[in-house]
Amino acid sequence: KAGVTQTPRYLIKTRGQQVTLSCSPISGHRSVSWYQQTPGQGLQFLFEYFSETQRNKGNFPGRFSGRQFSNSRSEMNVSTLELGDSALYLCASSSPTGGETQYFGPGTRLLVL
Amino acid sequence: GEDVEQSLFLSVREGDSSVINCTYTDSSSTYLYWYKQEPGAGLQLLTYIFSNMDMKQDQRLTVLLNKKDKHLSLRIADTQTGDSAIYFCAVPPDTGRRALTFGSGTRLQVQP
Repeated sequence: KAGVTQTPRYLIKTRGQQVTLSCSPISGHRSVSWYQQTPGQGLQFLFEYFSETQRNKGNFPGRFSGRQFSNSRSEMNVSTLELGDSALYLCASSSPTGGETQYFGPGTRLLVL
Repeated sequence: GEDVEQSLFLSVREGDSSVINCTYTDSSSTYLYWYKQEPGAGLQLLTYIFSNMDMKQDQRLTVLLNKKDKHLSLRIADTQTGDSAIYFCAVPPDTGRRALTFGSGTRLQVQP
């Protein structure tokens, strides 16, 4: 079974721009969570989607948003990029029948100049 | 909220055992997790333990859980150079929620 895939893998943007990252979960998984990893703050939870509904949200500003489609694929969007948004963005999926265990993708590395 | 703490660095010789420790403040979740991250990569699920277990063994990996002290440890037997990576302890806030709280990660360096 294919793992979690994320596109693009690398991205360079400038301050003020917006960016959209994509995540395809493992086949059959309906929950998708997003995390931000930075050297300073470590790994932080952004939000979780299940059946196209946001179920949990971390402590991030409204510039960070997401959505989930009927095929469980998810996108996250960051508007008005700031230098501090440079990070590795990780997506994880989990199965409704497999407990809460989350399987992570390779991440999208975003650099904001 | 949940607070998860790990030591930052551990250095061992190849063939020795490695023990990575983690403490957490509060979790009523059914599961607690260990993830591994190699340079430039995402997180790889290593193992997890049910909260009603004290110990779980999975090949070279042994997880110990002390719920009273809120202490979790990961032991890697016969550590190899390929085990060099950052290891994260991850704790969900409660059952059914997938908002993992991660420790800062322990960088394991294995010397030949």
